[in-house]
Amino acid sequence: NAGVTQTPKFQVLKTGQSMTLQCAQDMNHEYMSWYRQDPGMGLRLIHYSVGAGITDQGEVPNGYNVSRSTTEDFPLRLLSAAPSQTSVYFCASRNGAGGGPYGYTFGSGTRLTVV
Amino acid sequence: AQSVTQPDIHITVSEGASLELRCNYSYGATPYLFWYVQSPGQGLQLLLKYFSGDTLVQGIKGFEAEFKRSQSSFNLRKPSVHWSDAAEYFCAVGARKLVFGKGTKLTVNP
Repeated sequence: NAGVTQTPKFQVLKTGQSMTLQCAQDMNHEYMSWYRQDPGMGLRLIHYSVGAGITDQGEVPNGYNVSRSTTEDFPLRLLSAAPSQTSVYFCASRNGAGGGPYGYTFGSGTRLTVV
Repeated sequence: AQSVTQPDIHITVSEGASLELRCNYSYGATPYLFWYVQSPGQGLQLLLKYFSGDTLVQGIKGFEAEFKRSQSSFNLRKPSVHWSDAAEYFCAVGARKLVFGKGTKLTVNP
């Protein structure tokens, strides 16, 4: 049982390039989300999804795009990378599409540097 | 809007000493509250959660937390800290959208 798998673990991009961060979970969780973590800022929600075909914006969605075609996968796309998007990105999933006292399972993160 | 404040950016304790990490939240309804721990270079691991019932909740690794509605607080405690507890700790609140505090880094001196 792998949990939440994120790839790649490290990535360096040039300004203006695009890329997709992959996230897959094998727990049949309905809810998936993307966070970015910056020093002194904690984790901030980028986008989330409550099921296949349903996504919504979080606190810091600009410059990012998501889609959810399957329950298992929730990729995060950077459309045109900027240095401000240098961060560590975490994917997380949990049971339940709506609110609930469900703990999140986190991936191990993707460290992205934009130069 | 929901928010979480962790007043202490960095705490240093000696091994074997007790620990309390503070968390204050703002939330419009009965909150779902969580504590997560992050070791360097790792993802976040759930320590414990509160959603209703007994206001003192037990978690993994010997941690506990107490929910105090009157103080909007959900402080994390451990009676005796081990060197392996050195990590960053995050308090979070929310249901559909989980909002995190900025974290408290714990250093444990031998």
